[in-house]
Amino acid sequence: GDSVTQMEGPVTLSEEAFLTINCTYTATGYPSLFWYVQYPGEGLQLLLKATKADDKGSNKGFEATYRKETTSFHLEKGSVQVSDSAVYFCALREANAGKSTFGDGTTLTVKP
Amino acid sequence: EADIYQTPRYLVIGTGKKITLECSQTMGHDKMYWYQQDPGMELHLIHYSYGVNSTEKGDLSSESTVSRIRTEHFPLTLESARPSHTSQYLCASGRGQGKETQYFGPGTRLLVL
Repeated sequence: GDSVTQMEGPVTLSEEAFLTINCTYTATGYPSLFWYVQYPGEGLQLLLKATKADDKGSNKGFEATYRKETTSFHLEKGSVQVSDSAVYFCALREANAGKSTFGDGTTLTVKP
Repeated sequence: EADIYQTPRYLVIGTGKKITLECSQTMGHDKMYWYQQDPGMELHLIHYSYGVNSTEKGDLSSESTVSRIRTEHFPLTLESARPSHTSQYLCASGRGQGKETQYFGPGTRLLVL
């Protein structure tokens, strides 16, 4: 079955540091890939997505590239801010699947 | 901007009470989902629906039940709440055509005493 493996957290960075959160997946077909973010006390929000190989999703300074050859979708940001502190979830969804498959989530804390 | 709503946002209730968590969306989405998430843990799908009168159980076994009488409404019911039901419940919806994005509600934080 499908699965998503995320880098274990928690991750603690200083403001303006470079961020990478690794995500790899296994899937039987050609899924869409997503990063969701959950800020403290809030529900999940879609951060970015990519629907096919070599697509790059980007939003709010975050980027992730759909790498079919390495089955990866790593999240990156060049300069994090304190307001980026949240839990980040990598997810995939097959074309005809009834549900998404989520990773375990990675908690990011950015210190001033 | 996604229009998906959950009520209540927070609920504290005693053991044995019947509760219904409301979820509604105004986007006309066919598919709706309920996830359960404990603090610091991953999401678990507990119910989903492909459309009106369609409901399926998800990956995580749950004592809750759902109904889908109208496209926009997908309530979740616990007949007799227990402390083990304490968690956050997230509702989501999607258009259901191919590899669609899911839109999440703000969640309901449930505490059963």
